Amino acid sequence: KQEVTQIPAALSVPEGENLVLNCSFTDSAIYNLQWFRQDPGKGLTSLLLIQSSQREQTSGRLNASLDKSSGRSTLYIAASQPGDSATYLCARGMGFQKLVFGTGTRLLVSP
Amino acid sequence: GAVVSQHPSWVICKSGTSVKIECRSLDFQATTMFWYRQFPKQSLMLMATSNEGSKATYEQGVEKDKFLINHASLTLSTLTVTSAHPEDSSFYICSASGGRMGDSYNSPLHFGNGTRLTVT
Repeated sequence: KQEVTQIPAALSVPEGENLVLNCSFTDSAIYNLQWFRQDPGKGLTSLLLIQSSQREQTSGRLNASLDKSSGRSTLYIAASQPGDSATYLCARGMGFQKLVFGTGTRLLVSP
Repeated sequence: GAVVSQHPSWVICKSGTSVKIECRSLDFQATTMFWYRQFPKQSLMLMATSNEGSKATYEQGVEKDKFLINHASLTLSTLTVTSAHPEDSSFYICSASGGRMGDSYNSPLHFGNGTRLTVT
């Protein structure tokens, strides 16, 4: 069974903190690892995509890393802001754009 | 950027009725669309993959006769939940790609805003 697990399930931090979200997957044979943001009752916004041949990707205050050998990816958010509050989902790319999603981390950044 | 429009954003229906959800790509040709379902506090689960002009491919455990998918044009895919029951109440999300099977698996995916279905 191809499982994707995210820890922690929920996280509450004060504004300005740097934080790390974790994602682990059971099968190292992946095409890519993607991170998404989901606001309540909304669809998904793509944040970062790491190809299987890459080790990390950066976009602004976000940095995602990928370690296939250990089956782990982390999303680092620097200088968190209240607007970062959302659910963050990682997804393992299995084949042509078929994604297996993790359970998500609900992030709350308080002012 | 590319936009995927999903309609309706929410719908309430009575048990036994059918509901149609539309997913439109507004500024690109969506050769492939994916339909996901998300139960409360759970992750997204892929239901089916559809390519324009061909039959959808359903994931294991998804009833194709209950969840009818039509992808008749390059800008529109529809999901019809037939004879809906309360256990079908969920958040349904589509995503669209301009690529096809065999193309790069790193082509960008664009997601709709989802449809909240409540069956009473």
